[in-house]
Amino acid sequence: GAGVSQTPSNKVTEKGKYVELRCDPISGHTALYWYRQSLGQGPEFLIYFQGTGAADDSGLPNDRFFAVRPEGSVSTLKIQRTERGDSAVYLCASSLEGLNEQFFGPGTRLTVL
Amino acid sequence: AQSVTQLDSQVPVFEEAPVELRCNYSSSVSVYLFWYVQYPNQGLQLLLKYLSGSTLVKGINGFEAEFNKSQTSFHLRKPSVHISDTAEYFCAVTQQGGKLIFGQGTELSVKP
Repeated sequence: GAGVSQTPSNKVTEKGKYVELRCDPISGHTALYWYRQSLGQGPEFLIYFQGTGAADDSGLPNDRFFAVRPEGSVSTLKIQRTERGDSAVYLCASSLEGLNEQFFGPGTRLTVL
Repeated sequence: AQSVTQLDSQVPVFEEAPVELRCNYSSSVSVYLFWYVQYPNQGLQLLLKYLSGSTLVKGINGFEAEFNKSQTSFHLRKPSVHISDTAEYFCAVTQQGGKLIFGQGTELSVKP
């Protein structure tokens, strides 16, 4: 079946602009995760959804970052007033509940000029 | 807070040689451990995981890892590497499911 998909694959924006990054998880996966990977670093946790609700948003760096999952499937990560430091690859993963494997999407490369 | 340390940022090795990628974690409670691989321009793929039971875990592509609680380590090994194993490898930990805490990665470069 289809894996986790993310759109767009690349996004270039200007400082101060608003961006939305989309994640389509594997069908039937109730858990959805967002991570951010800066160059030369490991992925850094941002937020985790169980169904429609955010079970853990402790990784969101500040209030410019927000994520939703209104129907318990697709999720959108929203970044307001982008800054150059937001440039990174944003990864989405999904899994069944519990300690099941997280399946990762290919990521969205965000560049803020 | 949990943390993961991958002791080597780069590991160059010749084809068919053995390799060990080191990972240490810090946690005072029970943890669950994972190794992921990231091939160039691809997403992360699970190699293997330790949840409980035998401390020697076998994964895909001939990799294995050993959980050592006393040394808080989870080193990844392969007895004979191939060119196709060239990739970035990440060690990760979680306590109760949910978020993964990743190390900074080890770049494995296999040379002919």
